[in-house]
Amino acid sequence: DTGVSQDPRHKITKRGQNVTFRCDPISEHNRLYWYRQTLGQGPEFLTYFQNEAQLEKSRLLSNRFSAERPKGSFSTLEIQRTEQGDSAMYLCASSFDRGRDEQYFGPGTRLTVT
Amino acid sequence: GIQVEQSPPDLILQEGANSTLRCNFSDSVNNLQWFHQNPWGQLINLFYIPSGTKQNGRLSATTVATERYSLLYISSSQTTDSGVYFCAVCSGNTPLVFGKGTRLSVIA
Repeated sequence: DTGVSQDPRHKITKRGQNVTFRCDPISEHNRLYWYRQTLGQGPEFLTYFQNEAQLEKSRLLSNRFSAERPKGSFSTLEIQRTEQGDSAMYLCASSFDRGRDEQYFGPGTRLTVT
Repeated sequence: GIQVEQSPPDLILQEGANSTLRCNFSDSVNNLQWFHQNPWGQLINLFYIPSGTKQNGRLSATTVATERYSLLYISSSQTTDSGVYFCAVCSGNTPLVFGKGTRLSVIA
C-alpha cells in the first residue's frame, strides 16, 4: 500500500491559464475527496466521488472547476482561467466505505497563481 | 452545517512538557479524526476516534460524543511534534469538516 499520491507537488501558473492536478488514491479505496487549504485555515471540502460517480460538490467549487474520476480509479481536478484567489494547497484523500470512513490524505499540490 | 472549534489556537512548549488540545463540535458525529500537518503540508493520520479512548505511543485521544468534544494528549513532547494539529468531523454522510487547527511549537 503506497498511500495517496498527487501530481504535481507544486505548480506556478499565470492568471488566466488552465491547470490540471492528478490524484491516485490508495488501491481498493472506493471514495475519493478533494479539499482546498489556504494559509492559516483547515482544509475545506470541494467534492467527492464514490467509485466513478461524483456525489457531492461544495458551493466553493465554481464553474471554473471540474473534477473527474474515470473508471473509479485516479481523479483529476481542473481549474480553468485561474485567478489569484485560486492560490492554495489542493489536497486529495481516499477512504474505503465499509462502516469506517477513515480518510487518508495525499501530500497535496501547492498552486501559485501569479 | 456542523461547526468545529479547536483550542488553543497556538501553543509553545518546552521539550519534554505535556499538552492537551481540545476539539468541540456542534452536532453528533459518526467520524472524528485527528491529524498532524507537518511543515511540508502533509496531513498525517493520528487517530480515528468517533468515541472512546485510544493510545499510540506518546499520543492519546479521548472523545466524549455525548458532550461533543474530543481531547488529544501529547506527553513528553519532542521538537518533531511541532506543526499544526487538526480535528475533523463528519455527521451522517457529510464530508469531513475541519477546525482551524492548533499550531504547536516545541522548543529544545
